This record gives sequence, structure tokens and C-alpha cells, in this order.
Amino acid sequence: GENVEQHPSTLSVQEGDSAVIKCTYSDSASNYFPWYKQELGKRPQLIIDIRSNVGEKKDQRIAVTLNKTAKHFSLHITETQPEDSAVYFCAASSNDYKLSFGAGTTVTVRA
Amino acid sequence: IAGITQAPTSQILAAGRRMTLRCTQDMRHNAMYWYRQDLGLGLRLIHYSNTAGTTGKGEVPDGYSVSRANTDDFPLTLASAVPSQTSVYFCASSDTSGRTQYFGPGTRLLVL
Repeated sequence: GENVEQHPSTLSVQEGDSAVIKCTYSDSASNYFPWYKQELGKRPQLIIDIRSNVGEKKDQRIAVTLNKTAKHFSLHITETQPEDSAVYFCAASSNDYKLSFGAGTTVTVRA
Repeated sequence: IAGITQAPTSQILAAGRRMTLRCTQDMRHNAMYWYRQDLGLGLRLIHYSNTAGTTGKGEVPDGYSVSRANTDDFPLTLASAVPSQTSVYFCASSDTSGRTQYFGPGTRLLVL
């Protein structure tokens, strides 16, 4: 089955700086890569996703890049704000629609 | 519109007891999923259902069972709870044409 690895497990950044989270996947058939944000005590919520026919996607301060050859994808958050503090999960799936999640990255934005 | 709901919010359960976690969605989504979330392990798929009447096993199915009698409901049953099933359980649903999974608020389960 699919194996998704996520790094780093924790990330502390100064407010206004950028944050980058990286994930690798094992199944070359994977073609959908969402990112979820989970605030403390809340449910995971989709923040951005990318499909395998696209190399990069942006939505305001967040962007995701995908390198299919190397089987890795990354989340970039620019101009970080205190409300960006949360746990972020990457995931991957193929045409069976089941998601395999990374272990998560706890992001802390220091004021 | 409620979206996706779960019950109970939290539960303390004695080992060996039977427990059913409830999940209901009103979005008419085809697919539904059950995950468990443990610190450092992320979200792991327990069981899933692509459409009413069908179910499948995920990554960690042992000790759990599910049913999908209709589109809206997807209960998860622990036949005989063990302490290792202490976790936060999330139900999710998706329209398979869209692929986005929407999560419920979660059930926090403690098995003693």
C-alpha cells in the first residue's frame, strides 16, 4: 500500500517568515495530494490540494508543489501569522480515493 | 445543513464492552470513511465505504466492523473494546467525483 512520510514533525517559525513542510510517497499510481490543517481540538480541514497533472498550485499565502519524478510534494506558507499555528497533514491517493496520511507537522508561529 | 456529525463526543468504556460510534452526513456523499488519530501516527484508515451496501478494509481494521445500510449513516462498532483502541475517531465523507474528504468533529474514546 501507499506510504507517506512527512517532515519535519515540528516546526517553529517567527511571525512573517515562511514555513515549508515536505512529504514523500511510495506509490507511483498516486495522483491526488491534499493538505489538511487541524487546529487544537478541531477536525482536519482541507486547505489546498494538487493533482498529478499540475506542478504547482497557489491560494493566497499557501502553495503546494509536486515533483512526480521524485515522488515528493511540499506545502509552503508565506508571511506566517499566529492563526497558522496548527498541525498540518499531507496525504496521497490513487484512483481508489482512499487517503494515506503523513504523521503530521506541528507548526508554531512565534509572535 | 449539519454536514457530518458524530456521536458521542466522548466516551469512557470498560475493556471488553461493545461500543458503536455513530456517523451521519446530509451531503448525499457516496463515500464514507472511518479514521483513528493517535499522536505521532497521523490519521489511519480503519474501514471505508464507496457506496451504500458496500464496505472495505483500511489500514487498521482489526477489532472494528462497519455497515452501510443507507447513504447517510456509517456506524463503527468495537465488538469487545481493548485499551489499545483508545484514540480519537474521525468519520469523513466525500463525493467521489470531487475527492475532497470532509471530516466530522470526532469522538474521543478512552478504554480502561
